[in-house]
Amino acid sequence: IAGITQAPTSQILAAGRRMTLRCTQDMRHNAMYWYRQDLGLGLRLIHYSNTAGTTGKGEVPDGYSVSRANTDDFPLTLASAVPSQTSVYFCASSRTHGNTQYFGPGTRLTVL
Amino acid sequence: AQTVTQSQPEMSVQEAETVTLSCTYDTSESNYYLFWYKQPPSRQMILVIRQEAYKQQNATENRFSVNFQKAAKSFSLKISDSQLGDTAMYFCAFMTRRLGDTGTASKLTFGTGTRLQVTL
Repeated sequence: IAGITQAPTSQILAAGRRMTLRCTQDMRHNAMYWYRQDLGLGLRLIHYSNTAGTTGKGEVPDGYSVSRANTDDFPLTLASAVPSQTSVYFCASSRTHGNTQYFGPGTRLTVL
Repeated sequence: AQTVTQSQPEMSVQEAETVTLSCTYDTSESNYYLFWYKQPPSRQMILVIRQEAYKQQNATENRFSVNFQKAAKSFSLKISDSQLGDTAMYFCAFMTRRLGDTGTASKLTFGTGTRLQVTL
């Protein structure tokens, strides 16, 4: 059972470049999420999706976009990366409201 | 707005001893869920324990148990017989409202974490 996979594991990116972080789950969960983790701030929600075809904004959505073409995949795109987007990014999923969220292994992104 | 406070940035405990990590939260909701997640050096976020607010009985999972005080809005984690593998960052998290009008997604708010070091 893979659960949630994320790619790449880590990436160094020049400012201004476009980058897509990939997330795939095999649990058939309805809801998916993207969080960023910064030192001293815990995890903050970037975007979420209730089901395939729908997405919504979280606490810190600026500079990021997502899509949910199917149940399993939920990519996060940085259209033009900036140094303040240097962070660890976690994808998560849950079956429905109130259920536990399960996390992927994370992607460490450094924007120079 | 919901907030989660973990007032202990770092803690240390000797192997086989017991340690308690504190967490308080602020909400006007009556129905919600509380979680403790563990993040070891591998970076993986691992669920430790979950508590439904409507349940009076404190949740337990092997060596991990919680002290849930709803009136005080407190949700502490007790780790018994600490092991070296318990060394990690521990995050308290609070879940309440749906995201979107009738959605399946839920808002999960995290504290800033407590770094626990288990020593020999």
